Amino acid sequence: EVQLLESGGGLVQPGGSLRLSCAVSGFTFNSYDMSWVRQAPGKGLEWVSGISSNGGATYYAGSVKGRFTISRDNSKNTLFLQMSSLRADDTALYYCAKDRGGYSNSWSGGNWGQGTLVTVSS
Amino acid sequence: DVQMTQSPSSLSASVGDRVTITCRASQSISYFLTWYQQKPGKAPNLLIYAASSLQSGVPSRFSGSGSGTDFTLTISSLQPEDFATYYCQQSYTTPYTFGQGTKLEIK
Repeated sequence: EVQLLESGGGLVQPGGSLRLSCAVSGFTFNSYDMSWVRQAPGKGLEWVSGISSNGGATYYAGSVKGRFTISRDNSKNTLFLQMSSLRADDTALYYCAKDRGGYSNSWSGGNWGQGTLVTVSS
Repeated sequence: DVQMTQSPSSLSASVGDRVTITCRASQSISYFLTWYQQKPGKAPNLLIYAASSLQSGVPSRFSGSGSGTDFTLTISSLQPEDFATYYCQQSYTTPYTFGQGTKLEIK
């Protein structure tokens, strides 16, 4: 069974940093592209960042570019999101999601974790 | 960035109704369109990928169509468990972008 478990969320002050982790199991992690998707309270879904299966390519939404860094450790089946210079509008539930697979240079969320809540507030 | 626009934003319907949700892309995305269902407090669930392919385990009352810029999600006969919010997402180019969502409510 595919499982994704996010952790690392919490309350942080504006300008602060936080590192999210996503531990996965039940599939061959190093074969799949992964992404982080967030959802502000009561709002829609926003794709935040993605990374290729080998970690060689990374992608970001304009709203987080230069502030967030995605990475992965394929030896530990874990995905990361390093967030810095956090702002109030970064407050959201952050999901990690596995690519459905089957199409190169394309990403659809085939499996999702339950999310970790990040709150940016003073 | 590719902008995705869903319509309607909300919809009231009854069990047994046929429902159609539309998603329009600001530029051609070929068939790289995915539909998700999200229920309150839950993660999104992939329904349709590549515009018209049904994800394994998803009931056949869900179907998708379209290519280029215009896409539709159809639920042929609404069931009580289908009342949820639906999102489209383009998987053609980064940044991957979602529509704003369509909330499907019970009439």
